Amino acid sequence: KAGVTQTPRYLIKTRGQQVTLSCSPISGHRSVSWYQQTPGQGLQFLFEYFSETQRNKGNFPGRFSGRQFSNSRSEMNVSTLELGDSALYLCASSLGGTSSHEQYFGPGTRLTVT
Amino acid sequence: AQSVTQLDSQVPVFEEAPVELRCNYSSSVSVYLFWYVQYPNQGLQLLLKYLSGSTLVESINGFEAEFNKSQTSFHLRKPSVHISDTAEYFCAVSYNNAGNMLTFGGGTRLMVKP
Repeated sequence: KAGVTQTPRYLIKTRGQQVTLSCSPISGHRSVSWYQQTPGQGLQFLFEYFSETQRNKGNFPGRFSGRQFSNSRSEMNVSTLELGDSALYLCASSLGGTSSHEQYFGPGTRLTVT
Repeated sequence: AQSVTQLDSQVPVFEEAPVELRCNYSSSVSVYLFWYVQYPNQGLQLLLKYLSGSTLVESINGFEAEFNKSQTSFHLRKPSVHISDTAEYFCAVSYNNAGNMLTFGGGTRLMVKP
């Protein structure tokens, strides 16, 4: 079974621009979560989508948004990029049921904002 | 607020020596506990998990962790480490009332020396 895939793997953007990252979960998984990893703040939860609905949200500004499609693929968008948004963005998928808590991570998208 | 503490940011150890990576969490509700490993320029790999049942859980590559509810700990151990175990290890907690949101510790960099 193929793992979680994320595209693109690397991205360089300029301050003020916006960016869209994509995540394809493991086949059959209906929950997709996004995390931001930085040297200073570590791993922080952004949001979780399940059946095309946002189920949980972390403490990030509204510039960070996401969505999930009917095939469970997810995208996250960051608008008006700031230097501090430079990070590794990780997507994780899980079955998504109430008794399912195992999450499997993709390789990440490394975003550099200049 | 829920939190996870990994007491050691770096643990240097010689090859074939035992190692323990410590993890404590704050909680007053049911929890699910995980250890993830991250190799350079990669995503997170699930190493082992505690969901319920036996408090001692094992991975296929010789790591084990014990859930201690009274001490709110989930320390990771390996009796004999290899050079290939050099990586960053993250302890994570999912709370029963928080869906699939993972709260991560700050990570412990395990450095195995020959």
